[in-house]
Amino acid sequence: GAVVSQHPSWVICKSGTSVKIECRSLDFQATTMFWYRQFPKQSLMLMATSNEGSKATYEQGVEKDKFLINHASLTLSTLTVTSAHPEDSSFYICSAGTGTDTQYFGPGTRLTVL
Amino acid sequence: GDSVTQMEGPVTLSEEAFLTINCTYTATGYPSLFWYVQYPGEGLQLLLKATKADDKGSNKGFEATYRKETTSFHLEKGSVQVSDSAVYFCALRITGGGNKLTFGTGTQLKVEL
Repeated sequence: GAVVSQHPSWVICKSGTSVKIECRSLDFQATTMFWYRQFPKQSLMLMATSNEGSKATYEQGVEKDKFLINHASLTLSTLTVTSAHPEDSSFYICSAGTGTDTQYFGPGTRLTVL
Repeated sequence: GDSVTQMEGPVTLSEEAFLTINCTYTATGYPSLFWYVQYPGEGLQLLLKATKADDKGSNKGFEATYRKETTSFHLEKGSVQVSDSAVYFCALRITGGGNKLTFGTGTQLKVEL
């Protein structure tokens, strides 16, 4: 089946630094990639949707200058958390779609900001 | 807005017990309904789906019926196994609303011998 990987699986950083998370579709081309955020005991919240080669569409309340999303190829999207602060600590999950109604999810990245 | 409500976990069952995980929804339009499963250390995987009222989705012994009158999509399995231990997410997508999924909070299932 379709596999989506994320790297790193976990990261710890200092407050004020930037962190990049990669999302790759390993065996298929993803026309659309989605980034979610999940707090403990809460649901996945969609942050943004990105289509290859175009700007991401952010959900209401998500700061586009803080959460930079790049979808440069059909197999890679990156999320950069800029000037991270402790409140950005969360579990970040990406998913990839092929234009059908199915999304394939990555295993997630645990971000801890000290 | 759109929302999905799931029963809180964890749910702990003995092997071969009957499983029900409740899911109800509110939707601004006509939704398709999904159950996703997340095994430890892995990404969410689509377990089953239903796209219209009274449809029954089924996979791996799990079933869920789209009940429009009660706005529900409860997940059931007649006899759980230890390997079913995972977190289960109910989700909806509005028809014509793109691929945006709205998730519930997830329910952790633990199956013991």
